[in-house]
Amino acid sequence: DTEVTQTPKHLVMGMTNKKSLKCEQHMGHRAMYWYKQKAKKPPELMFVYSYEKLSINESVPSRFSPECPNSSLLNLHLHALQPEDSALYLCASSLSLGETQYFGPGTRLLVL
Amino acid sequence: AQSVTQPDIHITVSEGASLELRCNYSYGATPYLFWYVQSPGQGLQLLLKYFSGDTLVQGIKGFEAEFKRSQSSFNLRKPSVHWSDAAEYFCAVGRGGAQKLVFGQGTRLTINP
Repeated sequence: DTEVTQTPKHLVMGMTNKKSLKCEQHMGHRAMYWYKQKAKKPPELMFVYSYEKLSINESVPSRFSPECPNSSLLNLHLHALQPEDSALYLCASSLSLGETQYFGPGTRLLVL
Repeated sequence: AQSVTQPDIHITVSEGASLELRCNYSYGATPYLFWYVQSPGQGLQLLLKYFSGDTLVQGIKGFEAEFKRSQSSFNLRKPSVHWSDAAEYFCAVGRGGAQKLVFGQGTRLTINP
C-alpha cells in the first residue's frame, strides 16, 4: 500500500465553523506533513510531524491546529478561518524526516 | 536561502514530440532534487529524484532528468509526450534532505493533438 488518503475531498465552511481535515497512511512512515496550495501556486509547507511530535511549524496562524494522534493519522483542525484560507490542503508522508515525500490527493477547502 | 526557478510558466508541445522542462536551483550544499507532477485538482505524484550518484536519473512514465552541478540545473526530459502528460510540473529542492521542500512556481504543460 503506497497511498496517502485524505478526507474529505471537498469542504465548504463558514468563518465561524470548526472543521477538521484528516490524512492517513499505512506505509509505516514516521514523518507527516501539511501543505497549503493556492490556485496556480506551488505548495507551501505548513507543519511537519516526526514520530508524532511537531517538528516544524512554518509560522502558521493559530486558527490552524495540527494533531498527530498516532503514526498513521494526521489531522488539521480549522477554526475561525478567513476567506483567504480557501485553498487545496495537501498531506504528505515520508519514511522519516529527510526522506522522499509522498502526497495525498488533497482537500479542497472553500471558506465563505 | 535555497530557491528554485522554473523559467517556463507554460509550454505547449505536440503529441509525440520531445519535451524538456527547465529547473534551476540555488542551494549551498549538495541538493536533494525532485520533480513532481500534478493533474488538475489532484495531489502531487513523484516522477523522480536525485540525491547523489549517477547524474542522469530515470523516473516513472518515461521521464528522465539530468543533474548538472556546474549549471545548477535539473532539467526534466521525455523523448515522446503523450496527451496524458498534460499537467503541472513542479521542480523542488529539499533542505535537510527532503525534510523541507521548496518548490518552483511550476510549468504547465499543454499537449496539442
